[in-house]
Amino acid sequence: DTAVSQTPKYLVTQMGNDKSIKCEQNLGHDTMYWYKQDSKKFLKIMFSYNNKELIINETVPNRFSPKSPDKAHLNLHINSLELGDSAVYFCASSPSPGGNQPQHFGDGTRLSIL
Amino acid sequence: GQQVMQIPQYQHVQEGEDFTTYCNSSTTLSNIQWYKQRPGGHPVFLIQLVKSGEVKKQKRLTFQFGEAKKNSSLHITATQTTDVGTYFCTSGTYKYIFGTGTRLKVLA
Repeated sequence: DTAVSQTPKYLVTQMGNDKSIKCEQNLGHDTMYWYKQDSKKFLKIMFSYNNKELIINETVPNRFSPKSPDKAHLNLHINSLELGDSAVYFCASSPSPGGNQPQHFGDGTRLSIL
Repeated sequence: GQQVMQIPQYQHVQEGEDFTTYCNSSTTLSNIQWYKQRPGGHPVFLIQLVKSGEVKKQKRLTFQFGEAKKNSSLHITATQTTDVGTYFCTSGTYKYIFGTGTRLKVLA
């Protein structure tokens, strides 16, 4: 059983389109995250939710909107996609918030903007 | 804000050689975690260190947390091709600040 699953695995789309990435975890964790990893492998946190509530919102364009319908799901919607949005987006979860909990990552969604 | 720098950025070693990556912070860290990301894969949690001067071992991997809790190291003894990947350190009190990563290539 996959602990943290993301869909789709690959996303190729045109500039200006709107797209969504979905994430689900079956670990019973309270906290979920979205990270962006660029071509240089830098891993940056974008958002974090704890039990459906937004607790971390980094400096991210408001074209990015996360949504957590329940604590097992965290989706990411991106409006008006730009070339610079091309990256790998990772979903992760941890038992609770804070930087002292091991995180479990999904396989990533590779987003390519044409 | 808190920053975590890792050196080196890249390292190529011959199989069987040792490898070390260092993680440095300008501020005192509450803890340090290490993750490994295989090429094309996702980060996988390896270990967490909390105490000043703490040393932990996992088979050929040795993790150390500095006395001042501002730096950490990961040492791999006698690298194997399976060690290939990017190693990240991370720390944070309320959110995770990931280091810049060290990409390790092991030449057979």
